[in-house]
Amino acid sequence: DGGITQSPKYLFRKEGQNVTLSCEQNLNHDAMYWYRQDPGQGLRLIYYSQIVNDFQKGDIAEGYSVSREKKESFPLTVTSAQKNPTAFYLCASSIGEKKLFFGSGTQLSVL
Amino acid sequence: GQQVMQIPQYQHVQEGEDFTTYCNSSTTLSNIQWYKQRPGGHPVFLIQLVKSGEVKKQKRLTFQFGEAKKNSSLHITATQTTDVGTYFCAGPSFGNEKLTFGTGTRLTIIP
Repeated sequence: DGGITQSPKYLFRKEGQNVTLSCEQNLNHDAMYWYRQDPGQGLRLIYYSQIVNDFQKGDIAEGYSVSREKKESFPLTVTSAQKNPTAFYLCASSIGEKKLFFGSGTQLSVL
Repeated sequence: GQQVMQIPQYQHVQEGEDFTTYCNSSTTLSNIQWYKQRPGGHPVFLIQLVKSGEVKKQKRLTFQFGEAKKNSSLHITATQTTDVGTYFCAGPSFGNEKLTFGTGTRLTIIP
């Protein structure tokens, strides 16, 4: 069954801690994206990658880092520099400018 | 940078009434996409419009792309409880592969 898998579903971060959110896709899509969604708000782009070993900053990249070592994987690290990390994080993939396929999301909260 | 606004932010309608959400971009879009996010879920692609003035229908849903390719609308006829959710428009500016999402319109249905 093709799709995008995000894990974990819920994640808690302690002060000063880095945490990594996983995103795996088996759709053979070249492009992958990370979005942040705050309650009652739209989606804001954090990072995106059009091809393996290459990625670009989105609109709110500060305090986040990514890697794209494999086509199917695009993990997002929320670093301790991100002072307001509590949000719903969505990973997506696409072929070119076509529709985005989203994962089921990870809810990150601060302890 | 590119901004995409949607109005209204919230809409409460009686079941059976019609519903419309409007999307306006600060820049000309190469295409416009619409997504639906159910409460607690992730965005799901509905449709993509590419041509100036294009109109597409999906059962009770009608989508329009403005002549200037800077605005769009989604109209739902005779709403049903299954229409509950937040509707987002999204579009890339010409020459920019990043998809910018609108602020969303949250639809609730009064049975």
